[in-house]
Amino acid sequence: SQQGEEDPQALSIQEGENATMNCSYKTSINNLQWYRQNSGRGLVHLILIRSNEREKHSGRLRVTLDTSKKSSSLLITASRAADTASYFCASNRDTGRRALTFGSGTRLQVQP
Amino acid sequence: DGGITQSPKYLFRKEGQNVTLSCEQNLNHDAMYWYRQDPGQGLRLIYYSQIVNDFQKGDIAEGYSVSREKKESFPLTVTSAQKNPTAFYLCASSMGWGGPAGELFFGEGSRLTVL
Repeated sequence: SQQGEEDPQALSIQEGENATMNCSYKTSINNLQWYRQNSGRGLVHLILIRSNEREKHSGRLRVTLDTSKKSSSLLITASRAADTASYFCASNRDTGRRALTFGSGTRLQVQP
Repeated sequence: DGGITQSPKYLFRKEGQNVTLSCEQNLNHDAMYWYRQDPGQGLRLIYYSQIVNDFQKGDIAEGYSVSREKKESFPLTVTSAQKNPTAFYLCASSMGWGGPAGELFFGEGSRLTVL
């Protein structure tokens, strides 16, 4: 079963605009992570936010976590054509299973 | 350079054949994982291993088998019992073996096509 569901499924913006992607999950978590995947490639880790954190920044990335709503958002500011990729959230369920459960992803297209 | 190597990158298989996908890491990570990705979808967990000689089923283990005889290696066999094996397979690793999973490091994937 898919623990996380991203919204929107696809997003197209112009260079310089901000991109916001949302993720919802069903069970309580230890941490939530965001990954990026270029077409046909492996995933690359972007950022991890723990269940006791509400916001985290890394360069042009800003992640928020609302455990009461079981949701997270990823904001990419001042987007570039090179940001074109699929973005996935992944959560660590608070069940003792030491493995990430991934959402279905948001495909971001940044037009130059 | 440290990383995860998956091979082969592309693999074609006839129905009824078993195939083995290789995954090797030189990051000295304890935990290793296999995920399956279908077109336009997210990743689904097949198997994972926290330490040598131990592995656990994920959400879609039926039709797959793994072994973990060495820390560096976690091969995945797609058996003839897997009804729809055509997919993109991703191997990953992470540090440590206790507590929640931290950052995963991924290989570049193996694309399996059943003819």
